[in-house]
This record gives sequence, structure tokens and C-alpha cells, in this order.
Amino acid sequence: GAGVSQSPSNKVTEKGKDVELRCDPISGHTALYWYRQSLGQGLEFLIYFQGNSAPDKSGLPSDRFSAERTGGSVSTLTIQRTQQEDSAVYLCASSFRVIETQYFGPGTRLLVL
Amino acid sequence: SQQGEEDPQALSIQEGENATMNCSYKTSINNLQWYRQNSGRGLVHLILIRSNEREKHSGRLRVTLDTSKKSSSLLITASRAADTASYFCATDATIISSGSARQLTFGSGTQLTVLP
Repeated sequence: GAGVSQSPSNKVTEKGKDVELRCDPISGHTALYWYRQSLGQGLEFLIYFQGNSAPDKSGLPSDRFSAERTGGSVSTLTIQRTQQEDSAVYLCASSFRVIETQYFGPGTRLLVL
Repeated sequence: SQQGEEDPQALSIQEGENATMNCSYKTSINNLQWYRQNSGRGLVHLILIRSNEREKHSGRLRVTLDTSKKSSSLLITASRAADTASYFCATDATIISSGSARQLTFGSGTQLTVLP
């Protein structure tokens, strides 16, 4: 069946602009995760959703980052007033339940000029 | 320092040889997962081992977990050129300070190169 999909696959934006990244999880998966991977670095956990709620938002790097999930399915990660240090690959993953294996999407490459 | 640290950082072997990568972590975990990432591609889940398991096999992959030493190893047998990729371990832990939220933490990975 279809895996986790993310859009756009690539995004180039100017410093100060807002960007919205989208994640479409595997159908039926209740848990959804956002990660960020900067060049040469390991994955950085940002936030996860159990259904529509996010129990822990402490992983978000700053208050410019926000995420929402509606209908227990699609999630959007919004970065306001982007900075150059926001440039990274943003990965989304989903799992059937929180304890289960996470399946990752291909990521969105964000470049802030 | 970071939960889930892999070693070595880079490993280069000949096709047909076995590759072993290690991962150490610091806190109690629910499970430990290994992922592969090919250059420019998303992560691919390889195997999950729960905290009450000691060894798990999947095809040419063998994972061990020693919770007393807080370490895990990933063994790839009879390596192929197509196994060339970065390999990450990720620890799934419950963050008590955040109201028992679950968190998956990745290390910086081992870059494996398999030479034909």
C-alpha cells in the first residue's frame, strides 16, 4: 500500500518568509512524527501527534515552529519568518500506535536563502 | 551527549565481508530501532528490537541488544555494494519529565561503504 508522503519534496525560500510542509501518513496510523536532519547531523526529533493532539511540543526549536494535525490524518509543519539555520531536511513518520515501528516519508528539503 | 551514538562513524569493507555497527545509549528504552538512509533519500526502517529481547534476525541483518550495557549492534552479513548507506540507531524512550511522552532519538549514524 501507499507509504508516508510529504510535500513539497524541495522548497527554496527567502529569509523571513513563512513555509508550510505537509505530511500524509499511512492510512490508519494514529501516531505521526516530525523530525529534522541538518547536513551531516543525526535526526532531531521535533514533535509527535497521537491522534490530533501533540503531548509534547518541547522539541520544536523555537516559537516560529508550529504543527497541527486535523482529522487524525494529514499534518502540517509551519515555520514562520524562516532563518537560514532552518535549512534542513524535514522528515515525517507515522506508526500504527505510538509504540510501533515508525515508517518514514522521503522528506522535504528546505533551503532558506 | 546524545542518546543513541553509533560507532564507528565510518566503515569501509569489501563486498562479501560482514559489517558490524554499534550503538550506545544512556537512558532506559522501550525499544531500539535501526534505520538505513541512502544518499539523498528518506530513512528506511530496518528492524526494531524491544527492551525485553536480546537478539533479532531479519534476512542478512542480525541485531543484538544488551540493556545492562545500554548497547546494541547491527551485523550485516555477506555485504553487497547496494548496502552502501548511512545506518542510524534510534532509541524509543519515555520522557517522564514531559508527562510520559514518547520520543525517538537518533544518533549521527555510521556511513558504511561496501566496495565491489
